[in-house]
Amino acid sequence: GAGVSQSPSNKVTEKGKDVELRCDPISGHTALYWYRQSLGQGLEFLIYFQGNSAPDKSGLPSDRFSAERTGGSVSTLTIQRTQQEDSAVYLCASSRRGSTDTQYFGPGTRLTVL
Amino acid sequence: AQSVTQLDSHVSVSEGTPVLLRCNYSSSYSPSLFWYVQHPNKGLQLLLKYTSAATLVKGINGFEAEFKKSETSFHLTKPSAHMSDAAEYFCVVRNAGNNRKLIWGLGTSLAVNP
Repeated sequence: GAGVSQSPSNKVTEKGKDVELRCDPISGHTALYWYRQSLGQGLEFLIYFQGNSAPDKSGLPSDRFSAERTGGSVSTLTIQRTQQEDSAVYLCASSRRGSTDTQYFGPGTRLTVL
Repeated sequence: AQSVTQLDSHVSVSEGTPVLLRCNYSSSYSPSLFWYVQHPNKGLQLLLKYTSAATLVKGINGFEAEFKKSETSFHLTKPSAHMSDAAEYFCVVRNAGNNRKLIWGLGTSLAVNP
């Protein structure tokens, strides 16, 4: 079956613009994660969705960042008024219920803010 | 609070020689530990995981890791490096409990020389 997909693969935007990043998890996976990977850094947890439970937003770096997951499947990460420090690769991962340790990652979206 | 430290940012070995990638963790509870690999231009992939069963864990591609509680370590090893092992390797920790967030190390870049 298909893996986790993300779009776009690359996004270049101007400072101050809003961007939306999309993640399609593996079908049937109830858990979905967003991470940020900056150059020379490890993965930074952003947000976690599990089924219909309230998402864990504790990793979102500022109120410019938000995410939603519609219908328990596709997720969108929105960054408002982008800043240059937002430039990074944004990774999405999904996992099965009860197996959140084994996360399957998408290829990521490389965001460049000019 | 849990944390993970990868002791080497870069490791270079010759093809056919052993690989050792070092990882130390800090955890208040019995941790779950993972190694992920990221090949150039490819998504992150789970290499192996420790979840309180056998302390020596075997993973894919001939890699293994040993959980040593007394040393709070989870080093990744392989007896004989192959050119295809060149990649970025991440050590990850998750505390047992309700917190499903994974804490990621900064990564170790493995280079394999012919």
